[in-house]
Parts: sequence; C-alpha cells; structure tokens
Amino acid sequence: EAGVAQSPRYKIIEKRQSVAFWCNPISGHATLYWYQQILGQGPKLLIQFQNNGVVDDSQLPKDRFSAERLKGVDSTLKIQPAKLEDSAVYLCASSAVGNLYNEQFFGPGTRLTVL
Amino acid sequence: AQSVTQLDSQVPVFEEAPVELRCNYSSSVSVYLFWYVQYPNQGLQLLLKYLSGSTLVESINGFEAEFNKSQTSFHLRKPSVHISDTAEYFCAVRGSNYKLTFGKGTLLTVNP
Repeated sequence: EAGVAQSPRYKIIEKRQSVAFWCNPISGHATLYWYQQILGQGPKLLIQFQNNGVVDDSQLPKDRFSAERLKGVDSTLKIQPAKLEDSAVYLCASSAVGNLYNEQFFGPGTRLTVL
Repeated sequence: AQSVTQLDSQVPVFEEAPVELRCNYSSSVSVYLFWYVQYPNQGLQLLLKYLSGSTLVESINGFEAEFNKSQTSFHLRKPSVHISDTAEYFCAVRGSNYKLTFGKGTLLTVNP
C-alpha cells in the first residue's frame, strides 16, 4: 500500500513570495490533515478535511494561508505572502473514516525555508 | 482542551542501555494516547497507542509505554536501545474532538 505522498520535499523562497505544497493521501482515506512543525516543536494542526469539506481550520492563519481539497482526494496548501516565521516542515497526514482512534499516517513532509 | 508535556528535549544514552522518555498529559475527558517516532528526514510513524484495556502497551520493536491515570503520564521505555533507535519521539493525546495534540518531542541519541 502506497503511503502519503508530498511534494516538493524542500523549498527555499524569499519573504513575501508565494509557495504551494501538494499532498496525496493514502487511497481511500477520507480525512486529510495539514500540520506545521517548527524546529524544536511538535506538529501543530493547521487544517483538517473530511472528504472535500473543512472540519477544523481554527489554527490556520487565514490572512496568508489557504488550503483546498477540491475532489476529496489530493490537497494543496498555499502561503501568500510568506513570512520568515513560516519556515517549518509542513506535514500532511491521512486517516480512514470510522477510525475512532484517529490513527493518522504521515507523509515525509516539505521543509520550507523563508529567507 | 488537552495538552502534552515532554519533560526532556534531549536524551543521550549508550547502546544497550535502558531508556525512559517521559510524557505527561492533561485532559478533561477520556483520552487516547500515542507515541510517534520521526527518523531524520522522514514523516512521523506510529510507535504505539493506548486506547483502553491493559495500561501497558508494547510495540513490535521492543518499546513499551504505561498509561498511569493517577499521574497523568504515558512514559515510553525500552530495556536495551540500539543505534537505530536514534530518532525524535513525540507523545500525543487525542480527546473527544478527534484532534491530536503533540508534545514538543524528545530527541533520543544512542551512542556506540
């Protein structure tokens, strides 16, 4: 079974530029998550999708971050414009519907450096 | 709301020594507890989980964790570590809202 795929793996941009990350969850997983992991901290949930609907985006900085999952499969996370403090690893995870214990499977992440 | 505290940011040990990575949580409701491991340049992998039943849970690679409700702890232990166990370990708690809250992580470094 293929795991969660993410691209790119690394990205370096200047502040005020825009950037987009892509995630393809495990086949059949209805729930998709984007996390931000700043160096020295644990992952922080940015947004959670159930199919193509948003379940929780309470910690998403909506003035600059956006995410979509139009067909309920893959997803993109965008930052526009980027700030220095957005430097982090962005992790995508997925889980199956009906998984009461919320076992999430994580992708390898995208490491973003904002200069 | 729930929170997780991992008491040690770094734990260096020698190969074949025992290790304990500490985790305390707070939650106002029933909890599910998890340990994830992150090897360099990789995503998080589930190591073990406590859902219900026996308070001692084990992983396939020799780690174990014990849920202690009175002390609100879920410490991770291994009696003898290998070089390959070098990684960052994250404790996480899931409350009734299905949301996972992670600790800040503990970097375990196993030296020869």
